Amino acid sequence: DQQVKQNSPSLSVQEGRISILNCDYTNSMFDYFLWYKKYPAEGPTFLISISSIKDKNEDGRFTVFLNKSAKHLSLHIVPSQPGDSAVYFCAASGLGHQGGKLIFGQGTELSVKP
Amino acid sequence: KAGVTQTPRYLIKTRGQQVTLSCSPISGHRSVSWYQQTPGQGLQFLFEYFSETQRNKGNFPGRFSGRQFSNSRSEMNVSTLELGDSALYLCASSPRTSGQETQYFGPGTRLLVL
Repeated sequence: DQQVKQNSPSLSVQEGRISILNCDYTNSMFDYFLWYKKYPAEGPTFLISISSIKDKNEDGRFTVFLNKSAKHLSLHIVPSQPGDSAVYFCAASGLGHQGGKLIFGQGTELSVKP
Repeated sequence: KAGVTQTPRYLIKTRGQQVTLSCSPISGHRSVSWYQQTPGQGLQFLFEYFSETQRNKGNFPGRFSGRQFSNSRSEMNVSTLELGDSALYLCASSPRTSGQETQYFGPGTRLLVL
């Protein structure tokens, strides 16, 4: 049972435009959500996170939106740059002892064309 | 602060052997979590250690084990290696002083089982 899903395996965007990556989850006990960027054979790099008590969090070009009623989150990258090309993973964790266990989506490969 | 370090970075073993991977967390971080990444299964949680105690465990066979030392460094061991254990093994650390914390990942150990 996949609790975190990224339904788009890939996304191609023109440089300077907005990239929107989507993620859905099924477990209502998740209370913290994160986005990571990953290159092959490297560890994930943390981008941005959001607590379940918020619906939006911004950090520079990155904004994460959380819709708890729809169990959906999205990552917006504006403007997109060629260096943003990578695989993006959303992840979720629960409360207490579950906080150390991240459940990952399958990833979306973003390609930003110059 | 120095990031999470993992040794070795690459490893080749044969079926039936055992392997030990090492992870040094960010200074001050008390929690270390381990993940396995494979093309077919994506990023999957193995276990979390906090203050030398295993706090959470994923759905992996008993051949996968770990431990944490008093300085928060952690090791994971895989015994009786199988071809399917070929993967990128990632560790991540976090302070774990509150319920919602970001995990920071190391570069990973690439294990190839022949």
